[in-house]
Amino acid sequence: GQNIDQPTEMTATEGAIVQINCTYQTSGFNGLFWYQQHAGEAPTFLSYNVLDGLEEKGRFSSFLSRSKGYSYLLLKELQMKDSASYLCAVTSTDSWGKFQFGAGTQVVVTP
Amino acid sequence: ETGVTQTPRHLVMGMTNKKSLKCEQHLGHNAMYWYKQSAKKPLELMFVYSLEERVENNSVPSRFSPECPNSSHLFLHLHTLQPEDSALYLCASSQDPAPRPGNEQFFGPGTRLTVL
Repeated sequence: GQNIDQPTEMTATEGAIVQINCTYQTSGFNGLFWYQQHAGEAPTFLSYNVLDGLEEKGRFSSFLSRSKGYSYLLLKELQMKDSASYLCAVTSTDSWGKFQFGAGTQVVVTP
Repeated sequence: ETGVTQTPRHLVMGMTNKKSLKCEQHLGHNAMYWYKQSAKKPLELMFVYSLEERVENNSVPSRFSPECPNSSHLFLHLHTLQPEDSALYLCASSQDPAPRPGNEQFFGPGTRLTVL
């Protein structure tokens, strides 16, 4: 099975940096996804990591350590529109097509 | 229409009703998924279809019945639901079920279901 843990909520001010951690336990790890979901909307893809290290995409970066079962999503230069839920999802070779999602971290950006 | 669409967006039904949720993807993908999203809980994968064949059934009660007539359309037939089935039901698609760069899932806007 898979267990995915991420904080429930984080608050930060506009222009700041926030780091959302995700820890997981899974057999046959085959990749980790981060999604953003605004209230009442569909989740949208942010990043995918399968190898250790940092992937940077503009203001957003995602890091993975497979040996530690750990990932983080880094949001820089926060904007009000970044207020959303951020979902960590893990895939496994044990379950074809199966994405296991965390409960999401609600990020609140304040002025 | 582009991306992944779902109808209806909102649905209220009684426990004895029969209804269906519809999902359509316009991305040329071969894999489609049904998820359930309840408040404060993780997205729960319900079903996975690849090339119209069900490849994953995540221990979902039989009162939920999926149908995938072709690679662009996915249905979720509902009957004799319970109030605890009230949730947001999300459809997603991807090129195929294999997780890899560039094969992320694209989600529809969801159907907000309320069972009375």
